[in-house]
Amino acid sequence: QVQLLQSGAEVKKPGASVKVSCKASGYSFTGHYIHWVRQAPGQGLEWMGWINPNSAGTNYPRKFRGRITMTRDTSSTTVYMELSSLRLDDTAVYFCARDRAYCSPTHCPTLGSFDTWGQGTVVTVSS
Amino acid sequence: DIQMTQSPSTLSASVGDRVTITCRASQSISSWLAWYQQKPGKAPKLLIYDASVLENGVPSRFSGSGSGTEFTLTISSLQPDDVATYYCQQYNSYSLYTFGPGTKLEIK
Repeated sequence: QVQLLQSGAEVKKPGASVKVSCKASGYSFTGHYIHWVRQAPGQGLEWMGWINPNSAGTNYPRKFRGRITMTRDTSSTTVYMELSSLRLDDTAVYFCARDRAYCSPTHCPTLGSFDTWGQGTVVTVSS
Repeated sequence: DIQMTQSPSTLSASVGDRVTITCRASQSISSWLAWYQQKPGKAPKLLIYDASVLENGVPSRFSGSGSGTEFTLTISSLQPDDVATYYCQQYNSYSLYTFGPGTKLEIK
């Protein structure tokens, strides 16, 4: 079945970087964009960007540009999200999520609804 | 940037009740709206996409409607398993997707 399996919890100091992995299985890895969404303790959901596993193209909202990098490894069907210059308010659960839309090499429907989610990775930033 | 609001922020209802949650966008998003259910300690689950299309495997008591700037999620007969927080999310903008603040649904 379609599954996204994320790496384990991380504890980091302010100013450090964290890299979270998301291994996809059960579907065509290059056919679906992967998004990252985070949730601070007791708060709502915040979209952090997407990566196209086929082309490695990325899209980040202004808030995270310059601090976030998404990459992929097609041989291991794994997507990575690295966040640098960590601050205390980056403490959150980080989720990867598969876009519902299937993208062929020539056509990609409207992106944006997320049909499969990873289990979440807790990142704690503490001095 | 498109802003999303939801009402109410908290909702308490009885088993069997019909429940409605409203989501509003700060500008028209056509039908590019999804609804998610999130239970404590779990990842969100897609319920509805394109404003009214039920995701595979989601019980038929859930339904979505609306277009433009106003949308609703309806549970026709509330069940104990529906206790959760519900989020709407717009995907009209190719480069920026935003979630509503959530509606916490409780059983009376």
